[in-house]
Amino acid sequence: GENVEQHPSTLSVQEGDSAVIKCTYSDSASNYFPWYKQELGKRPQLIIDIRSNVGEKKDQRIAVTLNKTAKHFSLHITETQPEDSAVYFCAARSYNQGGKLIFGQGTELSVKP
Amino acid sequence: IAGITQAPTSQILAAGRRMTLRCTQDMRHNAMYWYRQDLGLGLRLIHYSNTAGTTGKGEVPDGYSVSRANTDDFPLTLASAVPSQTSVYFCASRPYSSGSKDTQYFGPGTRLTVL
Repeated sequence: GENVEQHPSTLSVQEGDSAVIKCTYSDSASNYFPWYKQELGKRPQLIIDIRSNVGEKKDQRIAVTLNKTAKHFSLHITETQPEDSAVYFCAARSYNQGGKLIFGQGTELSVKP
Repeated sequence: IAGITQAPTSQILAAGRRMTLRCTQDMRHNAMYWYRQDLGLGLRLIHYSNTAGTTGKGEVPDGYSVSRANTDDFPLTLASAVPSQTSVYFCASRPYSSGSKDTQYFGPGTRLTVL
């Protein structure tokens, strides 16, 4: 089945700097890759997703890139703000595996003012 | 529209007791999921259901059971709770399709402590 590895587990940046979180997946049939943000005590919320037919997607300060050959995808946050502090999860879905989302272990991002 | 609701919000339970966590969605989503979240381990899939009347096992199904009698409800039962089942439990749902509108949404979670 699918296995998703996420790095780093913790990331600390200064306000205004960029943050990059990387994930690798094992199932070459996976074709959907969402990123979720989870604030303390809250539920995970989708912030951006990408499908396997595109290599990059942007939404204001966040972007996701996908390298299907290498089976890895990354989240990029530019001009970080204190409210970006949260735990971020990547996930992968393969319709060969019944469409289940398999999550990475999470990255705790801390943006220092 | 409430989206996805879970009950209870939190619960302290004695080991050996039976407990059912409730999950209801009003979005007519076909697929529903139960995850547990433990520090450092992310979100691990317990059980899932792609449509009413069917269920499947996820990564960590042992000690848990589910049922899907209708589209809206997907209860998770711990038949005999053990301390290792102390966790935050999230229910999730999504339309079961391969199209562009198949975002998975999460419920607010249930914090369960087994003593």
